[in-house]
Amino acid sequence: KQEVTQIPAALSVPEGENLVLNCSFTDSAIYNLQWFRQDPGKGLTSLLLIQSSQREQTSGRLNASLDKSSGRSTLYIAASQPGDSATYLCAANTGFQKLVFGTGTRLLVSP
Amino acid sequence: DTGVSQDPRHKITKRGQNVTFRCDPISEHNRLYWYRQTLGQGPEFLTYFQNEAQLEKSRLLSDRFSAERPKGSFSTLEIQRTEQGDSAMYLCASTQGPPNTGELFFGEGSRLTVL
Repeated sequence: KQEVTQIPAALSVPEGENLVLNCSFTDSAIYNLQWFRQDPGKGLTSLLLIQSSQREQTSGRLNASLDKSSGRSTLYIAASQPGDSATYLCAANTGFQKLVFGTGTRLLVSP
Repeated sequence: DTGVSQDPRHKITKRGQNVTFRCDPISEHNRLYWYRQTLGQGPEFLTYFQNEAQLEKSRLLSDRFSAERPKGSFSTLEIQRTEQGDSAMYLCASTQGPPNTGELFFGEGSRLTVL
């Protein structure tokens, strides 16, 4: 059974810092991995999708990497801003987009 | 294209009542998913449809839960005889294209509180 873990559970940084969020999964047989952002009480916003054959994806200040063999993905956020404050979730696609989610990293960026 | 739409956004009900949630996916997305998220946890897969066919149901989906997608467009999720443990955010998502290649796009969710 696939299990996804995210570390740290919470992170507080001053504005402008670069930061890394970690995601690990137990079964490397995934089709892709997707990173989401969730604001309190809201739905999920897709940030990046990395196919299993890819190593990296970039969108603006966000960069996600995937190492299937070691069961790890990281989300790098450059020059963090207060508007980046949210919970970040990673999810492994175990087939037909049946995603297995981690419990998220709650990020607070202070001005 | 306004994204995935869910209704109602919030529902408060008493234990034992039935509730129904509706999801309108992004137009032309042929696959539609329901997930459930409890406080402090990541979402968990419940069920999915390809067009009007319900292809898989999680064991989380007890027999009090039923989902339909009658014409391959919108979907409904009904919970009968609600219990306090059903209190959660119910999230709908949709996607298109070959399986396992595309992004899943989520709606804003329907939050259920069972008193």
